[in-house]
Amino acid sequence: GQNIDQPTEMTATEGAIVQINCTYQTSGFNGLFWYQQHAGEAPTFLSYNVLDGLEEKGRFSSFLSRSKGYSYLLLKELQMKDSASYLCAVKGGSYIPTFGRGTSLIVHP
Amino acid sequence: DTEVTQTPKHLVMGMTNKKSLKCEQHMGHRAMYWYKQKAKKPPELMFVYSYEKLSINESVPSRFSPECPNSSLLNLHLHALQPEDSALYLCASSQDPTGAWDEQYFGPGTRLTVT
Repeated sequence: GQNIDQPTEMTATEGAIVQINCTYQTSGFNGLFWYQQHAGEAPTFLSYNVLDGLEEKGRFSSFLSRSKGYSYLLLKELQMKDSASYLCAVKGGSYIPTFGRGTSLIVHP
Repeated sequence: DTEVTQTPKHLVMGMTNKKSLKCEQHMGHRAMYWYKQKAKKPPELMFVYSYEKLSINESVPSRFSPECPNSSLLNLHLHALQPEDSALYLCASSQDPTGAWDEQYFGPGTRLTVT
């Protein structure tokens, strides 16, 4: 089976940096995805990690440590529009991604 | 075209009705998925079609019946639903169901209310 854990909610200030953590336990590993989902909308793809290390994409970066079963999503220069739910999804041996519960990020002015 | 479309956007149905949700993609993706999502919860996988064949059914009640008429279309037939089935139903597609780097593209969802 798979177990994915992320914090339920985080708050941060506009212009700041926030790190959203995700820990996982899976049977096999074929990659970890981060998605952003605004309320009432579909998830949109942010990043993918399959090897250890940091992947940077503009204001967003994602890190993976396979030995620790750990990933984080780093959001820099926060904007109000970044208020959303951030979903960590892990592909285990079945190649089907399993989603974590999501972290609701609230950005304050 | 990197879009997954879903119709209808909203659906209200009674417990004795029969309705269908539709999903379409023209990206040449070979995997298509149905998810159910309740408020403030993550998407829950219902069905996966791989190369137009049902590959995964996550113990979904028979009142939900998926259909994949061709590689671009995915339907979800609904019959005798319960109020607790009210949720956002998301369709997704991905290029290679057996590939590791295989991001999913989600449709906007159908907001279903069962009365």
